[in-house]
Amino acid sequence: KNEVEQSPQNLTAQEGEFITINCSYSVGISALHWLQQHPGGGIVSLFMLSSGKKKHGRLIATINIQEKHSSLHITASHPRDSAVYICAVNKGAQKLVFGQGTRLTINP
Amino acid sequence: DTEVTQTPKHLVMGMTNKKSLKCEQHMGHRAMYWYKQKAKKPPELMFVYSYEKLSINESVPSRFSPECPNSSLLNLHLHALQPEDSALYLCASSQVYTENYGYTFGSGTRLTVV
Repeated sequence: KNEVEQSPQNLTAQEGEFITINCSYSVGISALHWLQQHPGGGIVSLFMLSSGKKKHGRLIATINIQEKHSSLHITASHPRDSAVYICAVNKGAQKLVFGQGTRLTINP
Repeated sequence: DTEVTQTPKHLVMGMTNKKSLKCEQHMGHRAMYWYKQKAKKPPELMFVYSYEKLSINESVPSRFSPECPNSSLLNLHLHALQPEDSALYLCASSQVYTENYGYTFGSGTRLTVV
């Protein structure tokens, strides 16, 4: 079993829908990261969380340390949000453990 | 400057060639990373440099040779690669103590070994 599990693996939705991507982890962590990767491209860091909730534009990330669970929400989704979203956790100094990613497709 | 710059963006090399990938950042980050990413897979850590010293080598074959000449620059020297080494190579940087800081990733070098 992977130390970081994401669900769903693939998600297709219509423009405007509310999107939720989930991440569960089984190890002790110091921080959790949500990352975005467009096809063939580099990775953009969206959020780093160690507790609570963060919001940036239409993106919201939450984390529940006790339950070892985090969610990434996208409100009013748009085709440009189509990308792979990756959850990663800091396990020890300078080591990120990555989930398998969620491939999101938003249709117009 | 809040970017990690990787060059070249694309590289095709033969199995007998020697080439280098370059990564540069000017954010004052003292930790720099090389990751390898195969298609539809998450990145895999290869090397970590902390204060210009190699701190983590994830048992990477010696045909990959990292170098950190100064705090802003990270190189990956490639020699006698195999076709299975074809992948996206990502560089990242961060503060050394990452608990309260995020990572900045470059856009990657797409490497094809023929």
